[in-house]
Amino acid sequence: DQQVKQNSPSLSVQEGRISILNCDYTNSMFDYFLWYKKYPAEGPTFLISISSIKDKNEDGRFTVFLNKSAKHLSLHIVPSQPGDSAVYFCAASGGTGNQFYFGTGTSLTVIP
Amino acid sequence: ETGVTQSPTHLIKTRGQQVTLRCSSQSGHNTVSWYQQALGQGPQFIFQYYREEENGRGNFPPRFSGLQFPNYSSELNVNALELDDSALYLCASSFAGYYYNEQFFGPGTRLTVL
Repeated sequence: DQQVKQNSPSLSVQEGRISILNCDYTNSMFDYFLWYKKYPAEGPTFLISISSIKDKNEDGRFTVFLNKSAKHLSLHIVPSQPGDSAVYFCAASGGTGNQFYFGTGTSLTVIP
Repeated sequence: ETGVTQSPTHLIKTRGQQVTLRCSSQSGHNTVSWYQQALGQGPQFIFQYYREEENGRGNFPPRFSGLQFPNYSSELNVNALELDDSALYLCASSFAGYYYNEQFFGPGTRLTVL
């Protein structure tokens, strides 16, 4: 049972434009969410997180939005750069907080 | 500051064999989690170790076992390998001292079971 879903396997965006990556979850106990970026042959790298007490968190070009009623979060990258091309995973945790559930990933390609 | 390291990078085994994968935590971290990432999937939580004890387990059979050592490094052991065990195995370390904390991943070990 996939509790965290990323329904878009891939996304292509022009350099300088906004990239929006989406993630949906089903477990209402989840209260902490993260985004990871993964390059080939490397482990996932932490990008940004948000707890359920917030609906937005910004870090430079990256902003994560959380809509708890819709059980939906999104990652906005503005402006997108070619170096942002990677696979992005969203992850969620709740309750004990020691298990993170990952989505299947979205492969972002930023076209120069 | 040393990041999370894993060994070996790649491994080929045959069905029925046993395998041990190793992980060194990032400096200052006391918790290690192991994940299995099959092709085209996201990482799936196997288990977590904190203070040398298992501290949570995902939906994996008992033939997946682990250890954490006093220096917080860790091993993942898989017995009676099956073809479906072929995957990227990721180790992640974190510091358990806050309610939630980010996990920092190693580069992974690619296991192929023939």
